[in-house]
Amino acid sequence: EIVLTQSPGTLSLSPGERATLSCRASQSVDSSSLAWYQQKPGQAPRLLIYGASSRATGIPDRFSGSGSGTDFTLSISRLEPEDFAVYYCQHYGSSSRTFGQGTKVGIK
Amino acid sequence: VQLVQSGGGLVQPGGSLRVSCVASGLTISRNYMTWVRQAPGKGLEWVSFISAGGSTYYADPVKTRFTVSRDESKNTLYLQMTSLRVEDTAVYYCAREMTGRFFDWGQGILVTVSS
Repeated sequence: EIVLTQSPGTLSLSPGERATLSCRASQSVDSSSLAWYQQKPGQAPRLLIYGASSRATGIPDRFSGSGSGTDFTLSISRLEPEDFAVYYCQHYGSSSRTFGQGTKVGIK
Repeated sequence: VQLVQSGGGLVQPGGSLRVSCVASGLTISRNYMTWVRQAPGKGLEWVSFISAGGSTYYADPVKTRFTVSRDESKNTLYLQMTSLRVEDTAVYYCAREMTGRFFDWGQGILVTVSS
């Protein structure tokens, strides 16, 4: 079973700054199977990125994903006030799905 | 697409509960549908999915205790939970999958297991 480890656990940044979030898989995965979600308090998660680097419909271009093999990155080029939230990476296999433990992006 | 959930509540340890997810704007039987849960203050945990063909899959912590099913006539997805434990306390979300990614989500429903 694939284990996803996200780092850091918490990121404290100011609006306008760049955020870089990491997701490391316990073994090499196909990039097509890696996605990123944003979750705000009291809300369901929202799909941001799929296939490691493709933005979902309606997602602003300040969000970008990259990576391959075991190391993946979600970048937010300039943080807007609405971007402060928890972010999860996710992998899917033939018979299971896995989430990372999340990275909280908080206001500094 | 809209997924509306119901059926949560308080149940004693060892008890059973069924949560529902009614879909509009999509046909559940033609889609992969997933259940994801989130314990209070914790991260997301995948629970189960049912394929368009009806195959079912479960995370190890719920295998043999939870059953995912669907009713095509009602366009409704279910999660039947038995032998509930305190650690099953969580908000449960249903979601529509496309190629392993969760595009549409229900509003979430709280299940509390406590004596």
